[in-house]
Amino acid sequence: EAGVTQFPSHSVIEKGQTVTLRCDPISGHDNLYWYRRVMGKEIKFLLHFVKESKQDESGMPNNRFLAERTGGTYSTLKVQPAELEDSGVYFCATGLAVNNEQFFGPGTRLTVL
Amino acid sequence: GENVEQHPSTLSVQEGDSAVIKCTYSDSASNYFPWYKQELGKRPQLIIDIRSNVGEKKDQRIAVTLNKTAKHFSLHITETQPEDSAVYFCAQGGSARQLTFGSGTQLTVLP
Repeated sequence: EAGVTQFPSHSVIEKGQTVTLRCDPISGHDNLYWYRRVMGKEIKFLLHFVKESKQDESGMPNNRFLAERTGGTYSTLKVQPAELEDSGVYFCATGLAVNNEQFFGPGTRLTVL
Repeated sequence: GENVEQHPSTLSVQEGDSAVIKCTYSDSASNYFPWYKQELGKRPQLIIDIRSNVGEKKDQRIAVTLNKTAKHFSLHITETQPEDSAVYFCAQGGSARQLTFGSGTQLTVLP
């Protein structure tokens, strides 16, 4: 079974530019989460989709971040305009609805210069 | 709000010795406690988890204990091997479903 995939693996952009990260979940996983790890700190929750609906977006830092999951399959996370403090590793995790077990993707390392 | 404290931040052990990582949490409604292992440059991998109706769970050299009264849980790795070297994250989950993570422990197993 294919795991969670994320694209790109690395992204280097300049402050003020736009970046879009993509996550493809494990087939059948209705729950999709975005997390972020900044500068070696803890992994922090950003938001949670159940199918195409945003269940909880309380972790989103500000309105420069926009997440979508059209059709309830893959998800995108767009940062516009990017700031220096947005640098970090962005993880996507997915899971079935019946328990809390979450499977992580490899992450996208974002560097904002 | 929900908070998870993890200690130590770094841990070095000799190969063959045991390693213990401890976490405390604040949300009494938490009922799911997973542990993830992240090797350098790789994704976090779930290695073991425990739910609130169980006090201890073991899988080969790895065990997790949970004390709900004290709100702490621990990861125990016995007979450590160099390939156990990684960053380990504890986490808590509850009705909200998203996970709240500890800050991670860098475990180094010295040959």
